[in-house]
Amino acid sequence: GAVVSQHPSRVICKSGTSVKIECRSLDFQATTMFWYRQFPKQSLMLMATSNEGSKATYEQGVEKDKFLINHASLTLSTLTVTSAHPEDSSFYICSARDYPPDTQYFGPGTRLTVL
Amino acid sequence: LAKTTQPISMDSYEGQEVNITCSHNNIATNDYITWYQQFPSQGPRFIIQGYKTKVTNEVASLFIPADRKSSTLSLPRVSLSDTAVYYCLVGESGTYKYIFGTGTRLKVLA
Repeated sequence: GAVVSQHPSRVICKSGTSVKIECRSLDFQATTMFWYRQFPKQSLMLMATSNEGSKATYEQGVEKDKFLINHASLTLSTLTVTSAHPEDSSFYICSARDYPPDTQYFGPGTRLTVL
Repeated sequence: LAKTTQPISMDSYEGQEVNITCSHNNIATNDYITWYQQFPSQGPRFIIQGYKTKVTNEVASLFIPADRKSSTLSLPRVSLSDTAVYYCLVGESGTYKYIFGTGTRLKVLA
């Protein structure tokens, strides 16, 4: 299957700093990527849809100024958590849509810990 | 709201066949049904995808009845390493978004 990578896999930062997470589709081009967050023992929660060359679409309740998404190329989307707080600590996962067929492939996830 | 409903948990023994059924009553004409496996602290891993009837690959089979309002993932002869959460997903027409449900937590016992 298609491969999606994320970097970094784990990051620890101080409260108030910004953190950037990269999501790459390694062997296919993805016009659409998605960002999720997952808390322990819970399901994935969709945060936003990222379309190449256009503004991201955020789900209700997700602050667009806090979670900045950029999708500048067909193989790279980035999520920047700005002014991070301890409550932003979570597992962040991206996915990339491969078409055809219409299938989403997920990255391995990034564990963010804000101290 | 998630477009799919699955049992929250299931237990099985090694070597048995496991069938996990998913309900998706509001599936649209163009929607595909995709199943993923997730281990703790990892991203979901693609298992199988189908539109109708039966699909089989090297790890699983997917059965979809004619009305497409449900689907069943079949895992033949499970092992302890198949202990994971399994998600059934249907993409939202037009936006291709996945709204995750609870998934099914499968526990394989020795």
